[in-house]
Amino acid sequence: DAKTTQPPSMDCAEGRAANLPCNHSTISGNEYVYWYRQIHSQGPQYIIHGLKNNETNEMASLIITEDRKSSTLILPHATLRDTAVYYCIVRVPGGGSNYKLTFGKGTLLTVNP
Amino acid sequence: DAGVIQSPRHEVTEMGQEVTLRCKPISGHNSLFWYRQTMMRGLELLIYFNNNVPIDDSGMPEDRFSAKMPNASFSTLKIQPSEPRDSAVYFCASSFGREKLFFGSGTQLSVL
Repeated sequence: DAKTTQPPSMDCAEGRAANLPCNHSTISGNEYVYWYRQIHSQGPQYIIHGLKNNETNEMASLIITEDRKSSTLILPHATLRDTAVYYCIVRVPGGGSNYKLTFGKGTLLTVNP
Repeated sequence: DAGVIQSPRHEVTEMGQEVTLRCKPISGHNSLFWYRQTMMRGLELLIYFNNNVPIDDSGMPEDRFSAKMPNASFSTLKIQPSEPRDSAVYFCASSFGREKLFFGSGTQLSVL
């Protein structure tokens, strides 16, 4: 899997948008960008993934730059329950031996009241 | 669906004892993963099953660790004998077609 770089921590005010960056400058053409988060004492939770187009679901939006070397996860209206470690992962989904989901250190997002 | 179910939630044991962790994946999922999480090493993949068959166990720390998946609805991770350095949170995850992984709540293992 391509290496990703994320800031170790970020703060956000409750009700504001949280924008979490991720650099993946060595991403290859067939690798997707995945985001998971881990709330304290729970297992990681899938948030969203994408290849090159921006994606949105009920949890978040994913913005991928045109050159695909970086992306931003956006939580439009952060709540206290969004305080968690957010992991950005790049991988080829399905197929062959590319099944491993390799977690880095992620970004600890703290949403403050 | 109840999600991925792991048991026990907490396990405290003494060094040298056998420990068995259990996992029930989401019905219909054909891939199962065991991860371990520690402060020092973060989340590490231990073993991956596809259609009940172990595909890659290269992450298993040593021969003291073993994992089985006798059927599509049950898997175990066994440590024998356990050591204090095995203390960690062990997560089981399942998926269909290796897409989104769904994780259980984990087993907090403490080996004294």
